[in-house]
Amino acid sequence: AQKITQTQPGMFVQEKEAVTLDCTYDTSDQSYGLFWYKQPSSGEMIFLIYQGSYDEQNATEGRYSLNFQKARKSANLVISASQLGDSAMYFCAMRERGNRDDKIIFGKGTRLHILP
Amino acid sequence: DAGVTQSPTHLIKTRGQQVTLRCSPKSGHDTVSWYQQALGQGPQFIFQYYEEEERQRGNFPDRFSGHQFPNYSSELNVNALLLGDSALYLCASSLSDGTQYFGPGTRLLVL
Repeated sequence: AQKITQTQPGMFVQEKEAVTLDCTYDTSDQSYGLFWYKQPSSGEMIFLIYQGSYDEQNATEGRYSLNFQKARKSANLVISASQLGDSAMYFCAMRERGNRDDKIIFGKGTRLHILP
Repeated sequence: DAGVTQSPTHLIKTRGQQVTLRCSPKSGHDTVSWYQQALGQGPQFIFQYYEEEERQRGNFPDRFSGHQFPNYSSELNVNALLLGDSALYLCASSLSDGTQYFGPGTRLLVL
């Protein structure tokens, strides 16, 4: 079974609109972390935002926020006021800590296109 | 403050050859992880180095090996290259259990 599921292979959004990228995860660990990374066409994986499983508040970083719904095992990324430079691949990822594992498991990604 | 750097940026090899990829971590980071990203896929964890030892390993064959030096930089070696090894190889650095920051990657093409 997939640990990280991103159901939107591609999305087209008008500039300045808000966009939500979906992510669901599967783990039996109580302690884990959730990440979102952005990958432009250049290939570099850019860290955007992190949410710990015990964090009660949703994480926010500038225009990025993470809508964390623990019971639903959902960790959607919300980008407010989208910009042309937001066009890229976006990956949701998880790190499980139950066995002191430190590897990050990635989803298959969502390609976001911002339209002018 | 330099971020994670990787070399070379691009590489072309033929089947059966061996390749070495290099990574310098972000200043202050002591842990290096390597990932393979095939076209159209998310990155897959290869292994992680901490204190010059391989701490964890993903589901990759022994043809993939690595090393970490005292200055925390790292190498990824792949022997007996296969066509299927063509991918973007990403290095990420972190403090022991912190957020991983990625380098720009090395694009390997095996012909």
